[in-house]
Amino acid sequence: QKEVEQDPGPLSVPEGAIVSLNCTYSNSAFQYFMWYRQYSRKGPELLMYTYSSGNKEDGRFTAQVDKSSKYISLFIRDSQPSDSATYLCAMTLSGNTPLVFGKGTRLSVIA
Amino acid sequence: DTEVTQTPKHLVMGMTNKKSLKCEQHMGHRAMYWYKQKAKKPPELMFVYSYEKLSINESVPSRFSPECPNSSLLNLHLHALQPEDSALYLCASSMLTGDIQYFGAGTRLSVL
Repeated sequence: QKEVEQDPGPLSVPEGAIVSLNCTYSNSAFQYFMWYRQYSRKGPELLMYTYSSGNKEDGRFTAQVDKSSKYISLFIRDSQPSDSATYLCAMTLSGNTPLVFGKGTRLSVIA
Repeated sequence: DTEVTQTPKHLVMGMTNKKSLKCEQHMGHRAMYWYKQKAKKPPELMFVYSYEKLSINESVPSRFSPECPNSSLLNLHLHALQPEDSALYLCASSMLTGDIQYFGAGTRLSVL
């Protein structure tokens, strides 16, 4: 079992839809949880991060962490064609440990 | 400002060339990273520098040689690369290792 599982998609939704992106993980010691957005041929852009369990909202984006279920989610409300990108979840322990990435989910928002 | 700057944006090199990739950040971060990313795959960690010292080398071939001249700069020296080394090379930084990482736009490398 991989440490972080993420459905690679592709996921195609109409403009204005609510999008739900998810990752599951196996290591209960992970503490920081991040979502990156990556446009084609560009570097990953940090969208949101949370520390431990809970919700965090930023505009149209909401990140949720459920440590009891080892499950994290990113919700995008009122999705726009400009949201079309690959979304990577990532997580890390504290200390000198590397980020562990999911495979990324390719999202297309159709106008 | 959460900017990590990478140069060049694109690089084409032959298998006998020597070239260098550069990365710069002015956020006061003390950890810097090199990643390699192939198409439709997540980034793969290559090297981690913490306080300008190499702390992680993920068994990367010696044709890739990292260097951290100071706390703001990170270089990746390339020599005798193979066509399979063609990829997007990403630099990232974080306040300390294990913290939130910020990525640069990457250098798209093609080895002919």
